[in-house]
Amino acid sequence: NAGVMQNPRHLVRRRGQEARLRCSPMKGHSHVYWYRQLPEEGLKFMVYLQKENIIDESGMPKERFSAEFPKEGPSILRIQQVVRGDSAAYFCASSHDLKETQYFGPGTRLLVL
Amino acid sequence: AQTVTQSQPEMSVQEAETVTLSCTYDTSESDYYLFWYKQPPSRQMILVIRQEAYKQQNATENRFSVNFQKAAKSFSLKISDSQLGDAAMYFCAYRNRDDKIIFGKGTRLHILP
Repeated sequence: NAGVMQNPRHLVRRRGQEARLRCSPMKGHSHVYWYRQLPEEGLKFMVYLQKENIIDESGMPKERFSAEFPKEGPSILRIQQVVRGDSAAYFCASSHDLKETQYFGPGTRLLVL
Repeated sequence: AQTVTQSQPEMSVQEAETVTLSCTYDTSESDYYLFWYKQPPSRQMILVIRQEAYKQQNATENRFSVNFQKAAKSFSLKISDSQLGDAAMYFCAYRNRDDKIIFGKGTRLHILP
């Protein structure tokens, strides 16, 4: 059973470009969570999605950031017009159901030049 | 709002010795989960151990055990017979009733050969 997959593992963007981060949850998992880790910090919750629905986006900046989890395909975290402060590691986690253990992917390291 | 505090930014332990990492948290909830995650240089987030708040018995996973003191809101991790592969950042984490995980800032553990 493959774990949570994220791609790309590393992404370099120039200021003003768009970044698209993908997350494929573990097989059978319909709950996806995105977290951001700034250098030397712990992970911070961004958004929680279930298939086709955003359940909680209270940790996600209101502008430039969006997330989706379509019926088919991976969950996407999209950052428009990236700025240097967006440079971070973005982790996706998935779980089978509410209150079940969240399993983390390897993360995507975004570097904005 | 819940908070997680790890007061030791760095710790060192001699190989084969025992080390305890501290964690305290603040919450008004009565039902929650606590976790310790390990983040090695690869930056992958690996679940080490999990504790349900309603269970009085301390969780144990091989060389890893916790000391869960619910009244004191304390959740320390003990690593016995430390090995070189244990060197990593360790994050204490709390999962609230909204299913968000709140992380501490981490403790960097060095293993001395």
